[in-house]
Amino acid sequence: EAQVTQNPRYLITVTGKKLTVTCSQNMNHEYMSWYRQDPGLGLRQIYYSMNVEVTDKGDVPEGYKVSRKEKRNFPLILESPSPNQTSLYFCASTPDYYTDTQYFGPGTRLTVL
Amino acid sequence: AQSVSQHNHHVILSEAASLELGCNYSYGGTVNLFWYVQYPGQHLQLLLKYFSGDPLVKGIKGFEAEFIKSKFSFNLRKPSVQWSDTAEYFCAVNEGTGTASKLTFGTGTRLQVTL
Repeated sequence: EAQVTQNPRYLITVTGKKLTVTCSQNMNHEYMSWYRQDPGLGLRQIYYSMNVEVTDKGDVPEGYKVSRKEKRNFPLILESPSPNQTSLYFCASTPDYYTDTQYFGPGTRLTVL
Repeated sequence: AQSVSQHNHHVILSEAASLELGCNYSYGGTVNLFWYVQYPGQHLQLLLKYFSGDPLVKGIKGFEAEFIKSKFSFNLRKPSVQWSDTAEYFCAVNEGTGTASKLTFGTGTRLQVTL
């Protein structure tokens, strides 16, 4: 089944404790993105990747890192999480960034205490 | 920078009522336009998209949207909503220039359909 998977789905952590949210797609898509969803703010793009080893900042990249060492994986790293990073995070992939559908993962709900 | 406005934040309709959700964007060049839907507890999925051709686009579940370039708008419509349409709806735009760009989402409209 074609899908985007994220792990973990739920995470509660404390300020400053490094964490990684994994994202993997099995559709051989070149383009992948991370978004955060906050009430009243909709989805905001954190980072995106056009291909392996090619990443760029979205609207809200501060406090986040990404890497794209393999086509299928696009992990999101929070080196020192803070409470303002409490949010719902979505990973997405698409075969064609401009005209095609984004396929979203199920989301990761992160709480930083 | 590109911006996308969804002026209706929360809409409550009775079943069988007609729906129109507004979406306006700021970019003046070529754009690709999308509507995504997020049903309660589920992830986002594509409802419909426009990137060229007929400005009236039909999507899944009886939804349609009309691209009006002069108004920078891409409003979503459905003639008769069902209870199962209760969800959050997001308009999204990217610049169809062929160079690296990002997809910008609106803030979303929460639709509640009552029986």
